[in-house]
Amino acid sequence: AQSVAQPEDQVNVAEGNPLTVKCTYSVSGNPYLFWYVQYPNRGLQFLLKYITGDNLVKGSYGFEAEFNKSQTSFHLKKPSALVSDSALYFCAVRDMARGNNRLAFGKGNQVVVIP
Amino acid sequence: GAGVSQSPSNKVTEKGKDVELRCDPISGHTALYWYRQSLGQGLEFLIYFQGNSAPDKSGLPSDRFSAERTGGSVSTLTIQRTQQEDSAVYLCASSLRGGVNTEAFFGQGTRLTVV
Repeated sequence: AQSVAQPEDQVNVAEGNPLTVKCTYSVSGNPYLFWYVQYPNRGLQFLLKYITGDNLVKGSYGFEAEFNKSQTSFHLKKPSALVSDSALYFCAVRDMARGNNRLAFGKGNQVVVIP
Repeated sequence: GAGVSQSPSNKVTEKGKDVELRCDPISGHTALYWYRQSLGQGLEFLIYFQGNSAPDKSGLPSDRFSAERTGGSVSTLTIQRTQQEDSAVYLCASSLRGGVNTEAFFGQGTRLTVV
């Protein structure tokens, strides 16, 4: 089965500094990768996806992610973090087992942006 | 509506009672997913619908859990004889056709508390 791993539990970053949230993946075949963000007491919001093409994917709210096939990684990045970016971030991969194309999620990373 | 709508937003029930959770997907989205998010945990896949059919029910935790979808639209997740371990946020998502390159859009979830 396809899976993703988010190795860190929490990421602390000072406001204005670059933000990176790490994700590695394990797939057989082509990877279809996604990032979502969850603000407190809210559902998940789609940020960006990698399907094919350019390794650098740009998404919502100034976020981008870099697909690296040799390192099997899909790290989420933002050049300058805002306090409002404090949230829970999930990496996900399409798991095409059983033909249902479910999204398999990592455990999530809590991001805390310190003013 | 513009997004995925779930009701109720919060539900407190007594152990042993049955509960029904409702999901209204985005109009025209044929794929519908249910996930469960427990405190401190990632997202656990429960069931997937394509139209009114559920090709993959493998994520349902026990036979107390069931789901249906009617008219290719509204879905209901039913939990019978609720237990305290059922307490979680239940998230519904929909996507266009459920293709590998399509993102899923999530509702805000139903927070279920079993007392």
